[in-house]
Amino acid sequence: QVQLQESGPGLVKPSQTLSLTCTVSGVSISSGGYYWAWIRQDPGKGLEWIGYIYNNGNSYYNPSLKSRASISLDKSKNQFSLKLSSVTAADTALYYCARDSCYGGSCNLDYWGQGTLVTVSS
Amino acid sequence: EIVLTQSPDFQSVTPKEKVTITCRASQSIGTNLHWYQQKPDQSPKLLIKYASQSISGVPSRFSGSGSGTDFTLTINSLEAEDAALYYCYQSSSLPKTFGQGAKVEIK
Repeated sequence: QVQLQESGPGLVKPSQTLSLTCTVSGVSISSGGYYWAWIRQDPGKGLEWIGYIYNNGNSYYNPSLKSRASISLDKSKNQFSLKLSSVTAADTALYYCARDSCYGGSCNLDYWGQGTLVTVSS
Repeated sequence: EIVLTQSPDFQSVTPKEKVTITCRASQSIGTNLHWYQQKPDQSPKLLIKYASQSISGVPSRFSGSGSGTDFTLTINSLEAEDAALYYCYQSSSLPKTFGQGAKVEIK
């Protein structure tokens, strides 16, 4: 079955770059019909969609992140990654990776990882 | 950006009662609206897709309706295991957005 698992440092210093990886099993990230997404959850603000990437490398990011986010694919490892630069305490959150399953131009997030907590602190 | 507003934010309900959560979009999104359930220390789980389509493995007491700007999630005959946060999510336009969440507590 499809599974996603986030990994990466749980503590990042302010102004540095947050880097997370999502390892996918049960489906190839090269398969058509899926985008690969990152979402975060701040207990005080709910769920925020960060962005996603398709298997051809096309990506889109939430403008609220002011161009700090970047998502990439590693097809050889069936992984995709998130980098968020110039982090502040406001970026402290639980980060999820998810599969965005699309059909006929419409999509829904059908599989999620368990989430990884990232704290931004010196 | 499309804003989704859920109501009520919180409700405390007796088992076997019916629960209704609404989600209103700031502009028309067709049926590109999905519902998720999140229990403590778990990731969100897809309950209903495209406003009213059921998901395999999800109990039939969960149903959705609506189109355009107004949507409803209904839980018929609430069970203790349904205590959770419920989120709506729109995939109509970028950036994709979530509602603020609605908490259901069991009395």
